[in-house]
Amino acid sequence: SQKIEQNSEALNIQEGKTATLTCNYTNYSPAYLQWYRQDPGRGPVFLLLIRENEKEKRKERLKVTFDTTLKQSLFHITASQPADSATYLCALDMSLIKAAGNKLTFGGGTRVLVKP
Amino acid sequence: DVKVTQSSRYLVKRTGEKVFLECVQDMDHENMFWYRQDPGLGLRLIYFSYDVKMKEKGDIPEGYSVSREKKERFSLILESASTNQTSMYLCASSFQGIQPQHFGDGTRLSIL
Repeated sequence: SQKIEQNSEALNIQEGKTATLTCNYTNYSPAYLQWYRQDPGRGPVFLLLIRENEKEKRKERLKVTFDTTLKQSLFHITASQPADSATYLCALDMSLIKAAGNKLTFGGGTRVLVKP
Repeated sequence: DVKVTQSSRYLVKRTGEKVFLECVQDMDHENMFWYRQDPGLGLRLIYFSYDVKMKEKGDIPEGYSVSREKKERFSLILESASTNQTSMYLCASSFQGIQPQHFGDGTRLSIL
């Protein structure tokens, strides 16, 4: 069955360092992948979308890579700050039949804690 | 800014009750979604709708139904609430195609 895996262990990182999160998937070839941020008690907030023909996407201090051969996406937060502390979710459209619905399947998320 | 509004932040209901969760979006999005989020299980899709009066089952539709009579409003209905439906419920909306989803802040539902 299709599966999306993110490291369930929290990532503790010192302020100023780069945080790197992984998202692995199996048994599917998605056309795109999305990353979201979720703060406690809030809904996820969209960060970045990367398509299968894009190797890398950047937005301010965030960088996402997408390796369709390895079936993996990496999410980097450079020069991390305590305000970056949150849970980060990856999501793929894993529906077998592509409707207009943009139906996403989410990974379990990785919690990031940036220490001052 | 897109706003997705869920009618309640916290809700407590009793087993067997019929429960309605309401969601409204203000960006004329075609697609709307209902998820539940549980510790260790992540976000799971219950139902989604890509047009008025259209609905499709997600990964865990059992025990739930939905209604979309107007484009901006998507309702989740628990026909007969059970304790295993205690969860955080999140609504989202998006345009059609490869687009980000915009989430509400969730309804924490407790079934006693």
